[in-house]
Amino acid sequence: GQNIDQPTEMTATEGAIVQINCTYQTSGFNGLFWYQQHAGEAPTFLSYNVLDGLEEKGRFSSFLSRSKGYSYLLLKELQMKDSASYLCAVRLGDSSYKLIFGSGTRLLVRP
Amino acid sequence: ETGVTQTPRHLVMGMTNKKSLKCEQHLGHNAMYWYKQSAKKPLELMFVYSLEERVENNSVPSRFSPECPNSSHLFLHLHTLQPEDSALYLCASSQAANTGELFFGEGSRLTVL
Repeated sequence: GQNIDQPTEMTATEGAIVQINCTYQTSGFNGLFWYQQHAGEAPTFLSYNVLDGLEEKGRFSSFLSRSKGYSYLLLKELQMKDSASYLCAVRLGDSSYKLIFGSGTRLLVRP
Repeated sequence: ETGVTQTPRHLVMGMTNKKSLKCEQHLGHNAMYWYKQSAKKPLELMFVYSLEERVENNSVPSRFSPECPNSSHLFLHLHTLQPEDSALYLCASSQAANTGELFFGEGSRLTVL
């Protein structure tokens, strides 16, 4: 079976840095995605990693270690609007149409 | 005009009703998807269409019937649903079915009484 694990909830302070971890055990791997989903809204794409290492995009960075089946999303200079759920998703295999999602991490940013 | 549009946004139906969810994408993508999102559960892939051909059917009960008349439109026909089918149904599209990120619609919130 496919397994993607994320913490259920996290709390952080405005202006701080938070790291959201994702571990996966899947039958194949062809990339890992991070999505942000505000309550009542559609998930929106944040980042994509297919090779090991760090991808930086503004205040958000994402890291991947394929040998460890591990990724994290790093959010810097937290803002209140960053309060949302963050979804980790793995695409299975070269020709797979399946993008498998974790349960998501609900992040609460406090003043 | 938003990239992926879903209608209706909210739907309440009885177990004997027949209804349909509609999705339209304005991004020129070749692949479209239906996902189910239930409370405290991961997004569940239901169906994938690539160039109007169904390429993935993820063991979904036959009371859910997808239709993709062209690469811009996707429907989910609902018939004889159960209360446990109440969920948020999300449509998404991508450039191709096995590459690229998904662009999601706002979802259709379904309640089955």
